[in-house]
Amino acid sequence: GENVEQHPSTLSVQEGDSAVIKCTYSDSASNYFPWYKQELGKGPQLIIDIRSNVGEKKDQRIAVTLNKTAKHFSLHITETQPEDSAVYFCAASQRYGGSQGNLIFGKGTKLSVKP
Amino acid sequence: GAVVSQHPSRVICKSGTSVKIECRSLDFQATTMFWYRQFPKQSLMLMATSNEGSKATYEQGVEKDKFLINHASLTLSTLTVASAHPEDSSFYICSATSPNNYGYTFGSGTRLTVV
Repeated sequence: GENVEQHPSTLSVQEGDSAVIKCTYSDSASNYFPWYKQELGKGPQLIIDIRSNVGEKKDQRIAVTLNKTAKHFSLHITETQPEDSAVYFCAASQRYGGSQGNLIFGKGTKLSVKP
Repeated sequence: GAVVSQHPSRVICKSGTSVKIECRSLDFQATTMFWYRQFPKQSLMLMATSNEGSKATYEQGVEKDKFLINHASLTLSTLTVASAHPEDSSFYICSATSPNNYGYTFGSGTRLTVV
């Protein structure tokens, strides 16, 4: 089955700096790669996602890159702000036809942005 | 956008009692529901997958007689923790998908504490 590795487990940056979190996956059939932000006591919140037919996607300060050959994808946050502090999870799944398969999560990265 | 309402957000129960957690899709038909549990400072672990009108498929190591999942309609899925014990204390999260939505919609989570 699919296995998702995520690094680093903790990341501390200064406000205004960039943060990068990297993930690798094992199943070449995976074709959907979302990133979630989770604050304490809350459910995961989708911040950006990418499908396997695209190499890069950007939404304001957040971007995701995907390298299908190497089976890795990364989250980039620029101009970090204290409110970006949270736990971030990468995930991978397969979409086939109209069905979405199981979502497999990485172990998470605790991001701390210092003012 | 798609919304999944999860209730209750917090529940404290005595050991040996049963607890029911509900997830409702408010503006779409959730053909598939995933149930996760999350221990402190850990990632989300898939417990089971349910398709509307069918029996749930449980992940290895998850007791189906203890974690009862019902997905009788396209807008409601429930997880009942039967005869709960302190080791069942955890954060439980549901996630729904449908053929019309690309991706997963998560509930806000339920913090279960068994005393």
